[in-house]
Amino acid sequence: GQQLNQSPQSMFIQEGEDVSMNCTSSSIFNTWLWYKQEPGEGPVLLIALYKAGELTSNGRLTAQFGITRKDSFLNISASIPSDVGIYFCAGRRGTYKYIFGTGTRLKVLA
Amino acid sequence: DAGVTQSPTHLIKTRGQHVTLRCSPISGHKSVSWYQQVLGQGPQFIFQYYEKEERGRGNFPDRFSARQFPNYSSELNVNALLLGDSALYLCASSLEQGQETQYFGPGTRLLVL
Repeated sequence: GQQLNQSPQSMFIQEGEDVSMNCTSSSIFNTWLWYKQEPGEGPVLLIALYKAGELTSNGRLTAQFGITRKDSFLNISASIPSDVGIYFCAGRRGTYKYIFGTGTRLKVLA
Repeated sequence: DAGVTQSPTHLIKTRGQHVTLRCSPISGHKSVSWYQQVLGQGPQFIFQYYEKEERGRGNFPDRFSARQFPNYSSELNVNALLLGDSALYLCASSLEQGQETQYFGPGTRLLVL
């Protein structure tokens, strides 16, 4: 099935470092969501974006809706060990179908 | 408030069998979507139901079917199971159909032997 491209695929970082990841598509979306998933759990919504250019923060997380509407970015500042997990972007086109990215696996070294 | 709940949490079936998975949305949410997540990949959209009607379907065979009940809970049915159906099946609920965010349940882990 169709999936959005996320990069990097995985990353190891030191505690306290900032993290950046992005999600790209060949198609335009009208909503972008960012989720975090931990082993054995369902994805948990982190941030939702509804307008091109929108910049939204949730604590140490900041996400942006790309102005072309074909990409989105997520930044995590001052990472901590509990940030470990898989981060998924999801784009929505129309009223019901979300297409998910391939995921970015984050590991934080204390 | 309770989040999205799914049952069972784990299930083991053999090829050719059928399976029914259940989902209860967040109270007040009228829309339920189902996703399949194969190990190492992102979730893939299967169905969306809103007000008891199918509103969208992903690229899955007719062996997959679903329904939504008057209380907005939902069932996903898969017939003639294949080994490739082994996955985490996720249910997500949203308040309305349209420009709304969705919230996921913990999923049902299905293993087909």
